[in-house]
Amino acid sequence: EIVLTQSPGTLSLSPGERATLSCRASQSVSGSYLAWYQQKPAQAPRLLIYGTSNRATGIPDRFSGSGSGTDFTLTISRLEPEDFAVYYCQQYGSPPRTFGPGTKVDFK
Amino acid sequence: QVQLQQWGAGLLKPSETLSLTCAVYGGPFRGYYWGWMRQPPGKGLEWIGEINHLGSTNYNVSLESRVTMSVDTSKSQFSLRLSSVTAADTAVYYCARYETNPWGQGTLVIVSS
Repeated sequence: EIVLTQSPGTLSLSPGERATLSCRASQSVSGSYLAWYQQKPAQAPRLLIYGTSNRATGIPDRFSGSGSGTDFTLTISRLEPEDFAVYYCQQYGSPPRTFGPGTKVDFK
Repeated sequence: QVQLQQWGAGLLKPSETLSLTCAVYGGPFRGYYWGWMRQPPGKGLEWIGEINHLGSTNYNVSLESRVTMSVDTSKSQFSLRLSSVTAADTAVYYCARYETNPWGQGTLVIVSS
């Protein structure tokens, strides 16, 4: 089983700042099948990035993903008020399709 | 755009069987794996398992002994059954297809005597 670790656990930032979220895998993610999700309270997770760096339909270009192997990054170039949420990474290259524990982006 | 609509009982007693179904609209059903995830209150996401249109499954090892997934290709539906539930199974359950928005709307399942 691939274990995903996300850091930091909480990121305290202000609107307009840049957010950099990390996701590290215990072993290489097959085919770079790494996704990022955003979740707000009482809502289902929303896919932001799939295949490491592909934005899902309708996702603003301030969201970008990068990485390979065991180290992946989600970058939000300039935080908008609606971006304050919890972010999860998921590897779906091989079962079990594990999730990371999440990074909460909150207001400084 | 593919849409997923899920339904099932939301209140169970310990030892009962959880049963949820997810219907797929507006997109192809064949050729994909369809997944179930859950999220206990205030906690992170857990992958339960997946099934494809041929009925091929993969399950989370921690739940494997209690999980059964099935598929009805004629209706573009797939289902989850989790037996012998306990309070630890209380969670919001979601159905989803990888690389796609949106997920199902979520079903809060509470296990309580």
